[in-house]
Amino acid sequence: DIQMTQSPSTLSASVGDRVTITCRASQSISSWLAWIQQKPGKAPKLLIYKASSLESGVPSRFSGSGSGTEFTLTISSLQPDDFATYYCQQYTTYPYTFGQGTKLEIK
Amino acid sequence: EVQLLESGGGLVQPGGSLRLSCAASGFTFSNYAMSWVRQAPGKGLEWVSHITKSGGVTHYADSVRGRFTISRDNFKNILYVQMNSLRAEDTAVYFCAKGRTEGWEKDAFDIWGQGATVTVSS
Repeated sequence: DIQMTQSPSTLSASVGDRVTITCRASQSISSWLAWIQQKPGKAPKLLIYKASSLESGVPSRFSGSGSGTEFTLTISSLQPDDFATYYCQQYTTYPYTFGQGTKLEIK
Repeated sequence: EVQLLESGGGLVQPGGSLRLSCAASGFTFSNYAMSWVRQAPGKGLEWVSHITKSGGVTHYADSVRGRFTISRDNFKNILYVQMNSLRAEDTAVYFCAKGRTEGWEKDAFDIWGQGATVTVSS
């Protein structure tokens, strides 16, 4: 199975900050990576697909980059609505696998 | 509006069975691959199973293979998962999720249901 490792596990930041979350795959997944946001008690929401493509309706302050085994999600200027948990997910090989999650907290 | 609505969750004893349903609306269901993803209490997301748009090919996580069966009814626009021999570790919220691109079998999930809660306990 492909292991997905996110860092950090928890991130404390303030409104207006620029933040970056990293995701590493245990083997190359080309660009078949998604970034997903989840708020407590809510359904997950797709933010980024194919490593860097912004899903329709997602604010442009979210961006993704990387290929192969190293990926990043960047939020250029944190807004109050962005405090949530973020997951990366590979969808090139079954079983699809998720990172363990990064909880973005208000500092 | 594109929507997925799960049902069928509940409390079941270890060793018991349950069938979850996911009713799809707002898109041509038969043109999209679908998956089930679960989330144990306080834990992260875990992919469970996948089915191609025709229903002809299925995939399972090792943790559920042989116990869970995914299926779909493309006339009724419903996705199912039959869960047998349930264990305490199957306790989770189960989400159905839609593949993003029409006709693609491997894809990101662009639409998620609100989830159905399954509790396995005596």
